[in-house]
Order: sequence, then C-alpha cells, then structure tokens
Amino acid sequence: GDSVTQMEGPVTLSEEAFLTINCTYTATGYPSLFWYVQYPGEGLQLLLKATKADDKGSNKGFEATYRKETTSFHLEKGSVQVSDSAVYFCALRESGANSKLTFGKGITLSVRP
Amino acid sequence: NAGVTQTPKFQVLKTGQSMTLQCAQDMNHNSMYWYRQDPGMGLRLIYYSASEGTTDKGEVPNGYNVSRLNKREFSLRLESAAPSQTSVYFCASSEDRFATNEKLFFGSGTQLSVL
Repeated sequence: GDSVTQMEGPVTLSEEAFLTINCTYTATGYPSLFWYVQYPGEGLQLLLKATKADDKGSNKGFEATYRKETTSFHLEKGSVQVSDSAVYFCALRESGANSKLTFGKGITLSVRP
Repeated sequence: NAGVTQTPKFQVLKTGQSMTLQCAQDMNHNSMYWYRQDPGMGLRLIYYSASEGTTDKGEVPNGYNVSRLNKREFSLRLESAAPSQTSVYFCASSEDRFATNEKLFFGSGTQLSVL
C-alpha cells in the first residue's frame, strides 16, 4: 500500500541555518504530496502541497519539489527561525474518489537562538 | 476564530472504562475526521464522516464508535478502554462533501492515557 517515509529525528539547528527534511514515498498511482506542520500545543495545519511531478509547493519561506524520478518531496528552508520549531509531517493522497491522506511519522525540528 | 475545538485536552482512564471525546467545528465544513497519533507511527485515521448523517471506518476503527450529531459535531466513543488506546487523538474537518479534501483543519488534540 501507500506509505511515506521521513528521515529520523529530532533535528536541532541554529537560527539562520539551512534546513532540509527528507521525505520519500511509495504509491501505486499519481499521488498529491503535502507537508503539514504542528506547532507546540496546536493541531496540524497544511504548510504546502504539490499535485503533480515537478510542481513546487511553497509557503512561509519553505519549499518542496515533487520529484517523481526519486519519489521524493524534501522540505527546505534557506534560513530557519526559532518560530519554525515544530513537528513536520509529510503526507500523500492517491488520486481516486475514496483516497485519504497517508501521513509519515513526523519529525521534530528545534531551532535555537 | 475557534476553528476545531476538542474536549477534553487530557484524560486518564482505567482499563474497561468508557468515555466520549467531543469535537466541534464552526467553519461550516461538511467532512470531519478522527485520527490517532502514536510515537513513531504518524497519524492514522480511525473514522470519518463525509457529511451529516454518514460515518465510515478508517484505517484503525476497532474499539471505537463515532456519532455525527449534526453538521458541527463529531464525537468519538471508547466503550471499553484498553491500554493500546493510549494515544493522542485529533479531530479534523474539511470543506468538501466527500472526505477527500487534503486541506484539513485540526483541533489541538486530546492526550488519553489508559492504565
């Protein structure tokens, strides 16, 4: 079945460092891909998405490119801030009327001043 | 801007006890969901409701029941709690009528411990 694999965490960075969080997926069809973020004490919220190969999703300085050849959707940010400290979840949704979101395990990012 | 509201935020149960987790959304969304989040497991879908009056099983429905009371409210019931149900539970909603919209709005979660 469909699955999402995220790199092991946690990740700790200094403010203004470059961030990469790896995500790879397994799917039978042509899924849409997502990054959700969970700030401390809050529920998850959609950060960005891409619906087809080579699409780039972006929001709040974060970017991720849908790479079909490597089945990846890595999240990047050029300069992280303390306020980016959160748990980040990669997710996919297969095409099809009854498909639901499949989430990865999540990774905790801590940014220190 | 309440969004999705879950109660309670924390709960401790003994094995065999029952309880209901409440969820309400004020965004006039059609679809609602219950997920559980376990360490190293990501989020797993328990039940969902594509519209008022309908409910369907998700990935891990055993041991749970749900009620879509009206368009706003979607409750999750544990009839006889087990330690394996210790988890963080999230309610979510989405605007679409078919529970397929990827833009989910989540509540802040209920941390449940079953002893």
